[in-house]
Parts: sequence; structure tokens; C-alpha cells
Amino acid sequence: QVHLVESGGGLVKPGGSLRLSCAASGFTFSDYYMSWIRQAPGKGLEWVSYISSSSSDIKYADSVRGRFTISRDNAKNSLYLQMNSLRAEDTAVYYCVRDLGSGGGIDVWGQGTTVTVSS
Amino acid sequence: QTVVTQEPSLTVSPGGTVTLTCASSTGAVTSGYYPNWFQQKPGQAPRALIYSTSNKHSWTPARFSGSLLGGKAALTLSGVQPEDEAEYYCLLYYGGARLFGGGTKLTVL
Repeated sequence: QVHLVESGGGLVKPGGSLRLSCAASGFTFSDYYMSWIRQAPGKGLEWVSYISSSSSDIKYADSVRGRFTISRDNAKNSLYLQMNSLRAEDTAVYYCVRDLGSGGGIDVWGQGTTVTVSS
Repeated sequence: QTVVTQEPSLTVSPGGTVTLTCASSTGAVTSGYYPNWFQQKPGQAPRALIYSTSNKHSWTPARFSGSLLGGKAALTLSGVQPEDEAEYYCLLYYGGARLFGGGTKLTVL
């Protein structure tokens, strides 16, 4: 069964850093693109970043470019999101998702990890 | 800045049919935007329903269908069930980037 489990969320002060992790199981992780998607409290979904299976293709939303870094370790079946210079508006639930690209779409979601940026 | 627009809210009676739409500020939505649709219930992670305009995932109920309608992506629910009450989000692909619509709150009443 395909499973994605996020971790690493928590409370951080503005300007601080946090690293999110996503552990994947039940599928060949190295074959798939992966993305991070977030949802601020009471708000809609916002795509944050994607990474190709080999890490050769990476894209970011304008709102996080230059502050967030996506990466993966295929040997560990893990996806990461390094978040620096955090702002209050980065407060959200962060979801790890399996991304099949334009032809296949986004299919599997994790349960999310909560990031709160507050002094 | 590109914006993806959905109806903020819709109401449908049980057993009825409803169509949700997804528009792009850049112009007509075509199959080249590979529309995706997701359902989210309160307190839960979103669930994928439709990808690449009209393709269903293995778990997508038959009453859900995706299409292009009048320059927009569309999600139609036929024979609506009470458990279909939820927030629905569309996603469009803009080259490498992805953009979500603001969501449609569907009430079954």
C-alpha cells in the first residue's frame, strides 16, 4: 500500500529554519516525481515545489523561491523540504504528495505536518 | 500573476447533478493544462479524483467525471450523495509550475 508520512513540523520564530521530511513506502520511490503542497489555516491549497525522480528538474512557487529547498534521497525513500527565512505567512499544514507529472497528475497525499511561524 | 478561479460555493440536492468549473486568467483551459480535481473533507488530507482532464483514479466513484466546458475545466457529480459534501479543488499545470484554484465548497442539502 502506498504510504507517505511527513514529519519535522513545529513552532518556529520568524526568520528561523525548519526541515520537513517525508518517508515513502509501498512504491518504487525513485521512479516518481514528488511535490510539497501546503494549506494555511482555513485557506485553500498552494503548490510549493516539485522535484523530478533524479533531482535534475526542480521548480518552486514564487512565494518560496530563494527561501525553500526541495531535495530527495532515493536510497532512503525520503523527500525533504528545507525552509529558511520563515515568515508568518508560511504557517500551514505541509503535505507530501506523489506527483506523476502533467500526464498522470497528483495521486497520493500524506496526512501532513503542521508548521507554525510565530514569535 | 496567473489566477485559477472556481465558484466559491454551490448547493445541490441529494440525487441531483452539479458541475463545478475551473477557469484560468490566462485564457481558455485546454487539455494542455492537464486539469486535476481533488476532494477535501474537514480535518482530512485532500483526495485525488481526476487527472489530465477526465481520467479517474482507481478509487474515484463513477458518479464523478471531468471534462472541458466552455473554456473551463469542469467536474460533474451525477447522483450526488450526502458524503459528497466537501471542498473541491482544481489544479492546472503551467509548464513546470502547478496552480490550485481557490476551491468550491459543495453543500448537499
